[in-house]
Amino acid sequence: AAGVIQSPRHLIKEKRETATLKCYPIPRHDTVYWYQQGPGQDPQFLISFYEKMQSDKGSIPDRFSAQQFSDYHSELNMSSLELGDSALYFCASSLELAGVYNEQFFGPGTRLTVL
Amino acid sequence: SQELEQSPQSLIVQEGKNLTINCTSSKTLYGLYWYKQKYGEGLIFLMMLQKGGEEKSHEKITAKLDEKKQQSSLHITASQPSHAGIYLCGAASYSGGGADGLTFGKGTHLIIQP
Repeated sequence: AAGVIQSPRHLIKEKRETATLKCYPIPRHDTVYWYQQGPGQDPQFLISFYEKMQSDKGSIPDRFSAQQFSDYHSELNMSSLELGDSALYFCASSLELAGVYNEQFFGPGTRLTVL
Repeated sequence: SQELEQSPQSLIVQEGKNLTINCTSSKTLYGLYWYKQKYGEGLIFLMMLQKGGEEKSHEKITAKLDEKKQQSSLHITASQPSHAGIYLCGAASYSGGGADGLTFGKGTHLIIQP
């Protein structure tokens, strides 16, 4: 079965540079979520989108922005990168069903290293 | 915000033995998720529970949500090396919306000894 696709899988950037992470949800899924997982930490929710609209917001820094496009893929844009931004970034997708909590399926992650 | 406490933090079990991992919240759990993660890899969805008293099973893994919806347990029967990894419980906030981000516990590291 098709899974969530994230690109790139690995990314190395310098401080103060920008980075763009991409997420392609499971086919027919209409909701995407972004999470950040630091070394030895549990995943922290950043932001989610449903039908191209921001749905829920977590601990996303102001330096980060995200959007969902008409084909449901999503991009996380990160500017003025800091050393502390080094982490695994996960995208998850789900199909919105009325009245129930969505099963979120995670991608393999993008490992971002900021030097 | 919701805080989830997982226990134990780590667990070493001999292959073939049963084990249980717990996830506890001080608040009512709405949408309780269980995931498995291998180090540095993505989270694998195991099960999601919503209703008090609900129980779901998949292969040798059974998850339960208590009637008060404040505690969940994950039980593995006849553990195998493939069960090794980090088990994370996650909970959705109560907004009633389906696109809520999840808050996770710190995880339980499971090691299976042959």
